[in-house]
Order: sequence, then C-alpha cells, then structure tokens
Amino acid sequence: AQSVTQLDSQVPVFEEAPVELRCNYSSSVSVYLFWYVQYPNQGLQLLLKYLSGSTLVKGINGFEAEFNKSQTSFHLRKPSVHISDTAEYFCAVRPLSAGAQKLVFGQGTRLTINP
Amino acid sequence: GAGVSQSPSNKVTEKGKDVELRCDPISGHTALYWYRQSLGQGLEFLIYFQGNSAPDKSGLPSDRFSAERTGGSVSTLTIQRTQQEDSAVYLCASSPSTGNQPMNTEAFFGQGTRLTVV
Repeated sequence: AQSVTQLDSQVPVFEEAPVELRCNYSSSVSVYLFWYVQYPNQGLQLLLKYLSGSTLVKGINGFEAEFNKSQTSFHLRKPSVHISDTAEYFCAVRPLSAGAQKLVFGQGTRLTINP
Repeated sequence: GAGVSQSPSNKVTEKGKDVELRCDPISGHTALYWYRQSLGQGLEFLIYFQGNSAPDKSGLPSDRFSAERTGGSVSTLTIQRTQQEDSAVYLCASSPSTGNQPMNTEAFFGQGTRLTVV
C-alpha cells in the first residue's frame, strides 16, 4: 500500500517570495509522482509529474519539483510566487506495476499569497 | 465534451434520502475513479474501475455507498439513506489506462458534485 504525507496544511507567503511545499511518500514498490493544483471553486488539474529520468521536473506556471528517492520526497518549489498561485496543492503517487492501481493523494496544502 | 463531466454540480438532499451522482468520463478512457473531498480532509479514495476488471471498492466508507459503470463509460455513485457526514464534494476522474505505460498515467478530473445533506 502507498501513503502520502504533506507536511504543511497551510503555507502563507508574500508575493514574489520563494515557496516550497513538502511531500513525502511511503511505498513498497516504485511509484509515479504527481502534483495537482485546485484553484478556488475549480476542479483539480495536473501541475507536473515524475515518471522517470531526470529527478528535477518542471511544470506549468513556473513550478518545479525534485524527486529524492533516498528521502522518499517530492517537494514542490517556485522561486517567486504570484497572487494567482493561491490554491490548494495535492501530492499524489501511483504504483508503476501493471494492473488495477489507484492514485493515492496527500491531505493537501493550502497556499495563500499575501500582497 | 472534451473533459470529464459530472452532474449535478450541486445537490441538496434531506437526511435519509438516496442520491445518485453521475460521471461522464473522457471518451476512450478505461480507468475511472471516484474521490470524496471534505473540508480539511483532502482527497479520500472511494472506488476505482479499470476496463472489465472487478472494481477496487476498498475506499467505500459504508455499505450505503455503491457505484457502477455501465458499458465501460458512464458511472453512477449512489448513496443510500444519506447522512449529514456524507456532505462533501464528490470528484470523478478518468485516465486513458493504467499499468506501466508512462504516457497514460495522468488522471483528468471533473468539476465535482457538491452534496449537502440537511
């Protein structure tokens, strides 16, 4: 079984400051990793994903994440945030193995950008 | 349509009534998921369908909850004898496939159905 822990339920930052949203996972098998974003009153959309290859993954809106296998982490970063980045961010994993597999999500981190 | 469609977008029901929530996945997607999002609770997995395989029902919270997927396309989530704790946003997602095919790993979400039990 897999589990995902997002260490911060809320993260307030000032506009143009850098931000890191933390995600750790637990799994007995290799996994794919994802970050989804949910803007206010909207559905979830994919921000970025790690499948294989380079451990630094770039996504939409200037976000990036780094996969660290030894620390089982997949932290999300942005060097300079904007008011429009205010949203809830979800980290998720899915096993690599074939067959019926489900996406497992963390509890979410609410990012609030203050002017 | 191009995306995952859920209906209704909002549903208010009285405690004890049954409700049905509908999900139209993206055409051709073989995998379909239902999740529940409660305030401050993140995304709770409910059930997962993959092609003709038996669904993974491990996340259904009680026997009041059931789901079916007809013809490998449209899915209906049914909640019987609704309780106030069932109030949440119910999200549906679909994916082209599962397995170790990296191109097909993304899940596409609908806008959700906000259920309020009064």
